[in-house]
Amino acid sequence: DTGVSQDPRHKITKRGQNVTFRCDPISEHNRLYWYRQTLGQGPEFLTYFQNEAQLEKSRLLSDRFSAERPKGSFSTLEIQRTEQGDSAMYLCAGGGAAETQYFGPGTRLLVL
Amino acid sequence: AQSVTQLGSHVSVSEGALVLLRCNYSSSVPPYLFWYVQYPNQGLQLLLKYTSAATLVKGINGFEAEFKKSETSFHLTKPSAHMSDAAEYFCAVTFTGTASKLTFGTGTRLQVTL
Repeated sequence: DTGVSQDPRHKITKRGQNVTFRCDPISEHNRLYWYRQTLGQGPEFLTYFQNEAQLEKSRLLSDRFSAERPKGSFSTLEIQRTEQGDSAMYLCAGGGAAETQYFGPGTRLLVL
Repeated sequence: AQSVTQLGSHVSVSEGALVLLRCNYSSSVPPYLFWYVQYPNQGLQLLLKYTSAATLVKGINGFEAEFKKSETSFHLTKPSAHMSDAAEYFCAVTFTGTASKLTFGTGTRLQVTL
């Protein structure tokens, strides 16, 4: 157990609806990452936080996606006006001073 | 740009046989390399990592990997496969100055047969 939790674990939504996912790393994780994993692929980087500051965003993160980490602890990832192509596993990872990232169990999103 | 190539999307071995999962990276600067394992509908669990110390790295569950700069490789091995090793394995790379974001390979599914 990495200590990183994600909620919900599964989400089914209809196209056009908004969804929000939450990630809770452990307190030592000043770095927090979001990745997206589609079937048969490795995870792809979406965005990165150092404490509460969002320092990097991938081109994969369209303007329908927004992520926050308001107090440098938990983080949320919101997808507005979901599309079927958004169906994927959304993974959160926390990291401390070293390079290693510790992943949560993921949130599997299905857009109908 | 950094990249990782995992040769073989599916590998099948008999229980007790050697496991060899291949990973090659491309980089112009020293990399940090990782192997993660993923069981169905779960997140990624760290198996082992190379961060410029010893080139032979030992991880959990009897796995180890060797960093070979001349071959730009970081292959994962285990002397004797167990049924519980059946899973998806991902090689990943990062570099200093990149916020440590990971670039993953496409994964190798390991099947272990009796």
